[in-house]
Amino acid sequence: QSVLTQPPSVSGAPGQRVTISCTGSSSNIGAGYDVHWYQQLPGTAPKLLIYGNSNRPSGVPYRFSGFKSGTSASLAITGLQAEDEADYYCQSYDSSLSGSVFGGGTKLTVL
Amino acid sequence: EVQLVESGGGLILPGGSLRLSCAASGFTVSNNYMSWVRQAPGKGLEWVSVIYSGGSTYYSDSVKGRFTISRDNSKNTLYLQMNSLRAEDTAVYFCARVGPCGADCYLDYWGQGSLVTVSS
Repeated sequence: QSVLTQPPSVSGAPGQRVTISCTGSSSNIGAGYDVHWYQQLPGTAPKLLIYGNSNRPSGVPYRFSGFKSGTSASLAITGLQAEDEADYYCQSYDSSLSGSVFGGGTKLTVL
Repeated sequence: EVQLVESGGGLILPGGSLRLSCAASGFTVSNNYMSWVRQAPGKGLEWVSVIYSGGSTYYSDSVKGRFTISRDNSKNTLYLQMNSLRAEDTAVYFCARVGPCGADCYLDYWGQGSLVTVSS
């Protein structure tokens, strides 16, 4: 059971928009800690996708955006492309654990 | 260019010990927070440990008392000493650099991962 809760899977057709939620609690996201998102393609290391709730590192397409409110955050992907098919993870910090926490991951399928 | 290269993984008997290394280039390990994250086969990411630039260390409850994170500044290398290994420690272990914004920061660079298999 992960500290941050994500849906196990989401899907969408090419060109569509999908969102992935990440729900935490008062000791992590709700405490004001930032949420970060990672994309993991099969057999590879995770890649930073969104940092500080809504910021994109250089090279990440504008199609990816992040949002945080209260004890939750979300990742939105617009204009879905086949190459977006991957696992997505949210991450934050938990003060009661004195360490980082991850969501369980969401598998995105592009139909 | 920032690079992280892990080594030291392998097959180990339950109860055994193993030390993972993470050689860094393109930046100075001792000036950054550094973390270990693991991923069991077919499972999600799990944070394992962090070492702050000042030397403070923190661990997940699942490895506390068994694993030790450390660094060798002269070799610019991060380590994870793993003792009393259990089957549930079987995973790919990634080292990662923590960004420049404190304990709740993102992990901006990751190694390729090192597979540790604990089995008899």
